Amino acid sequence: KAGVTQTPRYLIKTRGQQVTLSCSPISGHRSVSWYQQTPGQGLQFLFEYFSETQRNKGNFPGRFSGRQFSNSRSEMNVSTLELGDSALYLCASSLELADYNEQFFGPGTRLTVL
Amino acid sequence: DQQVKQNSPSLSVQEGRISILNCDYTNSMFDYFLWYKKYPAEGPTFLISISSIKDKNEDGRFTVFLNKSAKHLSLHIVPSQPGDSAVYFCAAERAQKLVFGQGTRLTINP
Repeated sequence: KAGVTQTPRYLIKTRGQQVTLSCSPISGHRSVSWYQQTPGQGLQFLFEYFSETQRNKGNFPGRFSGRQFSNSRSEMNVSTLELGDSALYLCASSLELADYNEQFFGPGTRLTVL
Repeated sequence: DQQVKQNSPSLSVQEGRISILNCDYTNSMFDYFLWYKKYPAEGPTFLISISSIKDKNEDGRFTVFLNKSAKHLSLHIVPSQPGDSAVYFCAAERAQKLVFGQGTRLTINP
């Protein structure tokens, strides 16, 4: 079956703009988590959605938000972009919450903020 | 506050030898520890995990050791193969949240 897909794969924005990233989980998966990967910090947890509800949230400012639709697809939005938001944004899906042995990551969206 | 640290950004190992990747953590309340492998242009792939109540878990060429008193875990790969060249992340889980280390780039030399 198809893996986790993320669109777009690459994105260039300027400071102050906003951006929306999309994640389509594996068919049947209901949990979607988002992570930010930067060279110095590794992967940092942004938030997790399960059945259209945000169930967990990391320590990111309110400029970072997300949502999940009834088909489990998820979007994350970053408003008022800053240079430091340049990163690889990864989403991961699993059947159930905290099913890490069966959590699959997408290839990521590379965001560059100029 | 980096709760999970991988102090070696890179490691180079001869093919056929043992690769040892290390990870330290500060929070003794973590329930699970995991290792992920990441190739360029791909998302991380789950490799192996260990519960906080165990001290060793083995899966083929991969063994994870947990030393709770030292708050240290390690991943051993024996024997190392060229396809093992990748970035390895350790992660710790508590309350259904994963905290990742910064990653270690492993290069297997022929």
